[in-house]
Amino acid sequence: AQSVTQLDSHVSVSEGTPVLLRCNYSSSYSPSLFWYVQHPNKGLQLLLKYTSAATLVKGINGFEAEFKKSETSFHLTKPSAHMSDAAEYFCVVSDYGGSQGNLIFGKGTKLSVKP
Amino acid sequence: EAQVTQNPRYLITVTGKKLTVTCSQNMNHEYMSWYRQDPGLGLRQIYYSMNVEVTDKGDVPEGYKVSRKEKRNFPLILESPSPNQTSLYFCASSLSGLAGGRSQETQYFGPGTRLLVL
Repeated sequence: AQSVTQLDSHVSVSEGTPVLLRCNYSSSYSPSLFWYVQHPNKGLQLLLKYTSAATLVKGINGFEAEFKKSETSFHLTKPSAHMSDAAEYFCVVSDYGGSQGNLIFGKGTKLSVKP
Repeated sequence: EAQVTQNPRYLITVTGKKLTVTCSQNMNHEYMSWYRQDPGLGLRQIYYSMNVEVTDKGDVPEGYKVSRKEKRNFPLILESPSPNQTSLYFCASSLSGLAGGRSQETQYFGPGTRLLVL
């Protein structure tokens, strides 16, 4: 069965410094992996997705993630944090092996950005 | 504008009083789904629908019902709400209900419905 572990529940960075949000997954199949962002009192927005093409995936707002099969990781990075990046981030794996098309969500990482 | 809409956005109710949260999408998507979000638990799927008149249970279906009589609408029904159903609910949709490429499809989420059951 698929599962997702977000290794940090809360990450705090200073504006202008790099961001690293860690995600490990477990999957019996070739997974599709996503990062979603949720700003306070807002819905979920897709940042980027990996679908077995290039292992380095570029998303919106300067974020990117690298799929590493040997490490079963899909960490999200950004070179320089902006105040507007403060939000909750969810790493997600698609339940391809089942018929549901279910998205399995990690528990989320709350990113704080200090001025 | 392509979107998923939910109503109401906020709802306070009492135990046992039936309620319905509506979800509608204008993208002609086949697949629709309901999730609940609880602190520290991420999002968990309640029910999903692969097409009209085709619905099935997700991971946490107890206490909920759904129907899919039209392609665009997928209401979530709480027949007898209880306090443990206090949560933030999201509806989502994606293009295809087929098994093949669906794993790669983006799911589009509604804005969320915050429910408090007293």
